[in-house]
Formats: sequence, structure tokens, C-alpha cells
Amino acid sequence: NAGVTQTPKFQVLKTGQSMTLQCAQDMNHNSMYWYRQDPGMGLRLIYYSASEGTTDKGEVPNGYNVSRLNKREFSLRLESAAPSQTSVYFCASSDWGTSGNYNEQFFGPGTRLTVL
Amino acid sequence: ILNVEQSPQSLHVQEGDSTNFTCSFPSSNFYALHWYRWETAKSPEALFVMTLNGDEKKKGRISATLNTKEGYSYLYIKGSQPEDSATYLCAFSKGTYKYIFGTGTRLKVLA
Repeated sequence: NAGVTQTPKFQVLKTGQSMTLQCAQDMNHNSMYWYRQDPGMGLRLIYYSASEGTTDKGEVPNGYNVSRLNKREFSLRLESAAPSQTSVYFCASSDWGTSGNYNEQFFGPGTRLTVL
Repeated sequence: ILNVEQSPQSLHVQEGDSTNFTCSFPSSNFYALHWYRWETAKSPEALFVMTLNGDEKKKGRISATLNTKEGYSYLYIKGSQPEDSATYLCAFSKGTYKYIFGTGTRLKVLA
């Protein structure tokens, strides 16, 4: 049981390049999330997927796109990377409680991205 | 934009000391509050999920309380140990899927 996995662990891009961050979970969770972590700031939600087939914007969606490929996988794409997107990216998943989605989130190990 | 404030930002305590920190959040339309523990070079791990006013949760030497009417939660660590050194995050939700994270309290326990 691997939990939440992310690839790659590290990536360096040049401004304008594109890339996709991959995330997969094996806990049969309904909801998946992408966050970014910057110094002095809390984890900020980029996009989330409440369930398979749906995606919604979070707090900082500009410059990103996502795909919920199936229940297990949720990818984050940077179409044209900018230095402001240098950050650590975390994927998370959670399951629905009996009356809503209040359950804790399980986080992946993170991807450290540098855009030059 | 919701504001979730955590205080203090960081603190150092001696091994064996007890300590506590605060998470403040908007008191209207409360849905849930999470506490996470985040060790350096690892991922955040959930400590507590709190949903009801007056909730008290405990896990070993760590406990948490919740006051939704006034918009705060306290995390307590009794008899701090060096292995408790980590950043403690709280995350607040007004409903469904979106959680807003605080910037965390960074705890260092000195042996």
C-alpha cells in the first residue's frame, strides 16, 4: 500500500517549458488535491477534484491545468512555466465521511520544481 | 479569502516542557478543522479531525480542543520530546472540499 505517490521528485525547467506532474493514490479515495508550498506561506490549493470526472479551481489556479484521469490519478500541468511557479508541489487525497468530505487528507512526498 | 492564523510562528522549548499553540479561523459557517504534523523532508500527516464545537481529541501526549463560536483551536503537547520537533499545521473548511491552511507553528524541542 503505497498511499499517495508523486513523480518526479525534482525538476528544473526553463521559462516557457511545459511539464506534467503526476499523482496517484491507491486508497480508493474520492477526492484529490494539488497544493503548492512557498516559504512563509501555508499550503495553497491550486486545483481539486471532488470525485472522478470533476475538477475545480482552488485559490491559485492561474498558469495550471489538471486532469482527473481516473479515480486513482490526478495530474497537474504547467503549459508555459514561469519563475513564479518555482515551488514545492504536493498532491493529496481524501475520502468522504458519512455526511460530507471532512476526512483528513493524505499527502504525497512532494515535487520540488525550479523554473529558471 | 479566508484567513487562518497560527501562533506563535515558531517556538523552542526544553525537553519535558508542556506547550500549546493556537489556530484562529473565521467563526461563521464552520465545517471542519484539521491538525497536521509536518516533519522536515516529509509530508504532512493528519493528527486530528475536529467537526463539533467543544470537541476534544487526544493522541498520546498531544491533544486538541475546538471552539467554533469564537473561532479558535488549541493544540497541546504534554512533556515535549525531541521527536515532537516539527511544524504543526491547521486547516479550516467552511464546507465540502476546500481547506485553507495556516502557515504553521514550527516547534523545536531541545534535549
